[in-house]
Amino acid sequence: GAGVSQSPSNKVTEKGKDVELRCDPISGHTALYWYRQSLGQGLEFLIYFQGNSAPDKSGLPSDRFSAERTGGSVSTLTIQRTQQEDSAVYLCASSRDSYQETQYFGPGTRLLVL
Amino acid sequence: AQTVTQSQPEMSVQEAETVTLSCTYDTSESDYYLFWYKQPPSRQMILVIRQEAYKQQNATENRFSVNFQKAAKSFSLKISDSQLGDAAMYFCAYAIIQGAQKLVFGQGTRLTINP
Repeated sequence: GAGVSQSPSNKVTEKGKDVELRCDPISGHTALYWYRQSLGQGLEFLIYFQGNSAPDKSGLPSDRFSAERTGGSVSTLTIQRTQQEDSAVYLCASSRDSYQETQYFGPGTRLLVL
Repeated sequence: AQTVTQSQPEMSVQEAETVTLSCTYDTSESDYYLFWYKQPPSRQMILVIRQEAYKQQNATENRFSVNFQKAAKSFSLKISDSQLGDAAMYFCAYAIIQGAQKLVFGQGTRLTINP
């Protein structure tokens, strides 16, 4: 079946603009994760969804970052008032559930804030 | 807090030879998982191998095997018969068993395969 997909593949935006990044998990996967990969910070966890709820938002770096998941499927990561330090690759992963299951990653969205 | 350290930013190996990538981690948990992920230029993270901490036997997947030393908190990846397609960034990662299995990643090792 299809893997995890993310859109857009690349996004260039101006400082101060809002951006939305989308993740389509593997069908039937109930757990969904967002990670950020940047030169300075490496790979870091942002947020985890189990179904539509987010029991762990501990990795969101500021209140400019938010995420939602609807219908237990698609998730959107929103960054408001983007800053240059938000430039990174944003990776999404899904797993069948959160317990003892391997996470499968999408190809990521490369965000560049000018 | 859990941390994962990969001390080799870059490694290179001749095609068909064997290479070992190092990883150490720090945790106070007794049950957890360890992973090696591969990230080629396409950016997509691909699972290479997974090890459950409660299993003493080292995991193996074809040409990929690990040397898991729980007491030393060491988890190295051995790639045998290296192939050009193995060239990528390799990340070691850790996850606890309970709750959200958010992955904690090392800084990565860039592996180059020389023909």
